[in-house]
Amino acid sequence: DADVTQTPRNRITKTGKRIMLECSQTKGHDRMYWYRQDPGLGLRLIYYSFDVKDINKGEISDGYSVSRQAQAKFSLSLESAIPNQTALYFCATSDLRAGAYNEQFFGPGTRLTVL
Amino acid sequence: AQSVTQLDSQVPVFEEAPVELRCNYSSSVSVYLFWYVQYPNQGLQLLLKYLSGSTLVKGINGFEAEFNKSQTSFHLRKPSVHISDTAEYFCAVSDSDDYKLSFGAGTTVTVRA
Repeated sequence: DADVTQTPRNRITKTGKRIMLECSQTKGHDRMYWYRQDPGLGLRLIYYSFDVKDINKGEISDGYSVSRQAQAKFSLSLESAIPNQTALYFCATSDLRAGAYNEQFFGPGTRLTVL
Repeated sequence: AQSVTQLDSQVPVFEEAPVELRCNYSSSVSVYLFWYVQYPNQGLQLLLKYLSGSTLVKGINGFEAEFNKSQTSFHLRKPSVHISDTAEYFCAVSDSDDYKLSFGAGTTVTVRA
C-alpha cells in the first residue's frame, strides 16, 4: 500500500464550485504539505502544517484553505474554484525528527480541471 | 527562502548517450540538496540527496550528482540513459534552518532510440 495517498486522483469541476482534495499518510510523519504543479513553474507551496495545531501559508495560499484533521490527514479546499486553479496538486510529508533533513515523500497527485 | 534555477527546460538525448541536468541555487551557509524524478502520470520519487560529506552523491537508476559549494551547483548526471529515463526531473533545496523545500522549474528529459 502507498504511504501517501490522495483522493480523488482526477477531478473536473465548474467555476464557482467548492472542492476538497484529501491526503492521508501512514508514514507517521508530523509535517504535511500541499503543492501545486504548473508546466514550467515547478512545484509551488500552498500550505504546510508541522503538527495538528500548526498551519502555515505557503507562497501561493490565496484562494485555498486547509484542514489538518489528524496527524495522518491534511485536506486542501478551494472555496470557489476558478479556471486558473487548474493544475496538478501534490501532498507531501516529512519527518520532524532530527536528522530527517526535510526529505519529503510525495503522493501520486490529483489532477484538477476547473471549467 | 532559497531560489533554485534549472538551466535547461528540455533535454532531448539519444539512448545510451550521457546526460547532464544543471541546477544552481542561491547562496547559503548550509543547505540540503535533492533531485526528484517524475515519470509520466506519476508522483515525485527521490533520486538522490546531498546532506553532508562527500560531494559526489550516487542515487538510484545509475544517476549521480556533484555538490559544488563555490559554484552553488548540484548537477545531475547519468553516463548512459535508457528510454525508461524519459521523465521530468526536479532539483530541490532546503536551508538547514528552514524545513521547507524550494523547487526548480523542472527539466524534461526525452530519450530517443
